[in-house]
Amino acid sequence: GAVVSQHPSRVICKSGTSVKIECRSLDFQATTMFWYRQFPKQSLMLMATSNEGSKATYEQGVEKDKFLINHASLTLSTLTVTSAHPEDSSFYICSASSQSSYNEQFFGPGTRLTVL
Amino acid sequence: GENVEQHPSTLSVQEGDSAVIKCTYSDSASNYFPWYKQELGKGPQLIIDIRSNVGEKKDQRIAVTLNKTAKHFSLHITETQPEDSAVYFCAASPLNYKLSFGAGTTVTVRA
Repeated sequence: GAVVSQHPSRVICKSGTSVKIECRSLDFQATTMFWYRQFPKQSLMLMATSNEGSKATYEQGVEKDKFLINHASLTLSTLTVTSAHPEDSSFYICSASSQSSYNEQFFGPGTRLTVL
Repeated sequence: GENVEQHPSTLSVQEGDSAVIKCTYSDSASNYFPWYKQELGKGPQLIIDIRSNVGEKKDQRIAVTLNKTAKHFSLHITETQPEDSAVYFCAASPLNYKLSFGAGTTVTVRA
C-alpha cells in the first residue's frame, strides 16, 4: 500500500517551454501533497505544500508564478514548470500524506527534468 | 523553522561491520523522525521512523535511537551488505507536517 507514482520519469525540453509533471497516489487519498527539488549530490528542498482543493503554499524563495501547482483531486497533483530555463534542470520529487498517516509522507520515484 | 544537521557526509565500512549516522535537530516541537534511503536516480524510500514517545526502534538490521532532551537521533545499520550502499537522509517533522531533511550521508559498503 501507499504507492505514489510520477509521470514522466524523465523529460527533456527546450528553453522557454513549459513542462507538466504529474504525481498520483495510487491506493490512498492524499489530503496533502508536497513537491521537492533535488540538485545533484544535495538534499531534498521543499518547494511547496498543497492541500486538495486549496491553493498551494510555497516556501520562501520559490516563485509561485513559475512553478504552478494544482491539487484538484485527492489522488492527483501537478507541477508545471513555466518558461523553463537550464537552471530549472533538476530532480523533482513529490510526496503524499493522508489524514491517517500523521506526519508520514510517501514519496514518488522522481522526475528528471533537463532544459536545453 | 526546523534545522537538521547530519553527520558524517560520507561513510565507508567493510561488509559485515556496523554503520552509524547521527542527526541533530533544533525545533523541540518536532515529533516525527524518519530515515530514508535513496539510490541513484530514484526517490527516497522510508526505511525506519520513530516518534517522540519512543526512545528506540528496531527492524531487523536497522535501528534508530532518539534522545529528545539532547535533540539528536541516530541510525544504526548492523551486518552491512553491499546493497546497503546508498545515500541516507534523516528528517524531522514538527506539528505542521513538513519534513526538514539533513544533508545526507553517502554510505559505501566495501565487499
